[in-house]
Amino acid sequence: AQSVTQPDIHITVSEGASLELRCNYSYGATPYLFWYVQSPGQGLQLLLKYFSGDTLVQGIKGFEAEFKRSQSSFNLRKPSVHWSDAAEYFCAVVRTSGTYKYIFGTGTRLKVLA
Amino acid sequence: DGGITQSPKYLFRKEGQNVTLSCEQNLNHDAMYWYRQDPGQGLRLIYYSQIVNDFQKGDIAEGYSVSREKKESFPLTVTSAQKNPTAFYLCASTRDWHSYEQYFGPGTRLTVT
Repeated sequence: AQSVTQPDIHITVSEGASLELRCNYSYGATPYLFWYVQSPGQGLQLLLKYFSGDTLVQGIKGFEAEFKRSQSSFNLRKPSVHWSDAAEYFCAVVRTSGTYKYIFGTGTRLKVLA
Repeated sequence: DGGITQSPKYLFRKEGQNVTLSCEQNLNHDAMYWYRQDPGQGLRLIYYSQIVNDFQKGDIAEGYSVSREKKESFPLTVTSAQKNPTAFYLCASTRDWHSYEQYFGPGTRLTVT
């Protein structure tokens, strides 16, 4: 069955430090991949998406992600974290064959230290 | 500005009562979705609607009902049959059924005691 794994439930980084959030997926074909961010008590906002082509995708707020088929990963990165980046981050995959379906990971909560 | 509105932000109900959560969008999107979010479990799909007057069950539809009488509106009713209704509920939409970018509302936190 298709699945998305975010192995880190919580991550704490200092402001200005680099960030990498991990996402691994299980899907036979080429998936459509997404990263969303959720501020406390709010809805989700799309950060970036990968459908095909260049495996390094740029998103909003200075985030980027790299699709690695050999590792079934789609990790999210940011070179320098700002205090306002503290939020929960969700990786998601869309199954593009059969019944269309979004599968979300369980999320990684990011804390930023001043 | 176009977007999705969910109301109210917080909702409190007694056990045994049905409650309806509102979701309205002015994006002119065809498809709409309801998700339930619980801590540590990500988002789980309750119901979705590809087009007005049509809707389908998602992964956890038991104890919930929906309607889609207007393109812009997709209300969710949490019935007394839902065993654990306390959760954060998110409504989303896509331009059409074949679009993959979802737009989310701000959510409604439902507490049932």
